[in-house]
Amino acid sequence: QKEVEQDPGPLSVPEGAIVSLNCTYSNSAFQYFMWYRQYSRKGPELLMYTYSSGNKEDGRFTAQVDKSSKYISLFIRDSQPSDSATYLCAMIGIQGAQKLVFGQGTRLTINP
Amino acid sequence: GAVVSQHPSWVICKSGTSVKIECRSLDFQATTMFWYRQFPKQSLMLMATSNEGSKATYEQGVEKDKFLINHASLTLSTLTVTSAHPEDSSFYICSASRTPNTEAFFGQGTRLTVV
Repeated sequence: QKEVEQDPGPLSVPEGAIVSLNCTYSNSAFQYFMWYRQYSRKGPELLMYTYSSGNKEDGRFTAQVDKSSKYISLFIRDSQPSDSATYLCAMIGIQGAQKLVFGQGTRLTINP
Repeated sequence: GAVVSQHPSWVICKSGTSVKIECRSLDFQATTMFWYRQFPKQSLMLMATSNEGSKATYEQGVEKDKFLINHASLTLSTLTVTSAHPEDSSFYICSASRTPNTEAFFGQGTRLTVV
């Protein structure tokens, strides 16, 4: 079993739809959670960074963390064609190994 | 913001030659930098973790003599692919963190093609 599971998609939705992207994890040591957006042939761009359980909102993006269920989500409201990209969840613990653990990435397409 | 600049963005080299890729944190000091390799339509594969002033920690299966990593300052890390072969052709990405175990900011990536 992988430490972080993410549905690779592909996911295709119409413009304006609400998109829900999810990751589950097995390691309870993970304390920091991130969502990255990666366009083709570009480096990942940090979208959201959260620590505690609950919701964090930034514009059209909302990150949700449920540590009790080991489940994180990223919601995109009013989705735009420019949101079409691969979305990667990533997480890291407070102590020990410093490396981020990534999900497989979900390929998202927003259709005009 | 936190900006990480990676250079070059693409490079073509001949087999047997060496290629150096630079990763710079432009507006913050990075105690930790990471180097990844990414194959098409796959997630990031961590190659090594480097802390300023110390030797890099390589992931299992990554040849340290082939992929030389130097993190000489808090704003610069370099990856040198030595004696490059066509199978080394890939997308290489660096990331940097202000402190250990916090969010990482990524460079734009370098597309290496070995001919």
